[in-house]
Amino acid sequence: EVQLVESGGGLVQPGGSLRLSCAASGFTFSNYAMSWVRQAPGKGLEWVSAISGSGGSTYYADSVKGRFTISRDNSKNTLYLQMSSLRAEDTAVYYCAKGLMEWEVFPAYMDVWGKGTTVTVSS
Amino acid sequence: EIVMTQSPATLSVSPGERATLSCRASQSVSNNLAWYQQKPGQAPRLLIYGASARATGIPARFSGSGSGTEFTLTISSLQSEDFAVYYCQHYNNWPPLTFGGGTKVEIK
Repeated sequence: EVQLVESGGGLVQPGGSLRLSCAASGFTFSNYAMSWVRQAPGKGLEWVSAISGSGGSTYYADSVKGRFTISRDNSKNTLYLQMSSLRAEDTAVYYCAKGLMEWEVFPAYMDVWGKGTTVTVSS
Repeated sequence: EIVMTQSPATLSVSPGERATLSCRASQSVSNNLAWYQQKPGQAPRLLIYGASARATGIPARFSGSGSGTEFTLTISSLQSEDFAVYYCQHYNNWPPLTFGGGTKVEIK
């Protein structure tokens, strides 16, 4: 079964840091680009960041550029999102998602999603 | 950045009726468009990609159409499990990917 499981969320103060992880199973992880997508409470979906299968190409939304870093460890089948200089507006459920097609540099469509991990930025 | 606008914000439909959801892009995205379904407390689920291709396991009552700037998701006969929020998402001139604001399909 193809599965994504996020972890690492929690309560953090403004200006703090947090690292999210996403453990993948059931597919050849290194063949697929991956994304992080977030959803603020009661709001819609916002794409945050993406990474190619090799990890050689990374992409960010303007709202997180310079503060968040996406990475992956294909030997551990794990995706990461390092978040720093966190703001109240970063409060959201963070989903990791798998690109639909193999060998994409950027995940056009996302066919498998984790259940999400909640990040709350508050003093 | 391409802006995706969905309408209506809320659609009230009786079970068994047809639902038609719209998504408009601020500039052409060709057929690079997806639709997702999200139920409360759950992750989104991919329904349609490439504007009209059904994802694996998606029932035939879900269909997508359109190209350029105007797109439609049609649910031919609403089932109880179809009441949810639906989002469109473009894949063009990336990054970024952007989603529409969503359409909530509720029971009439």
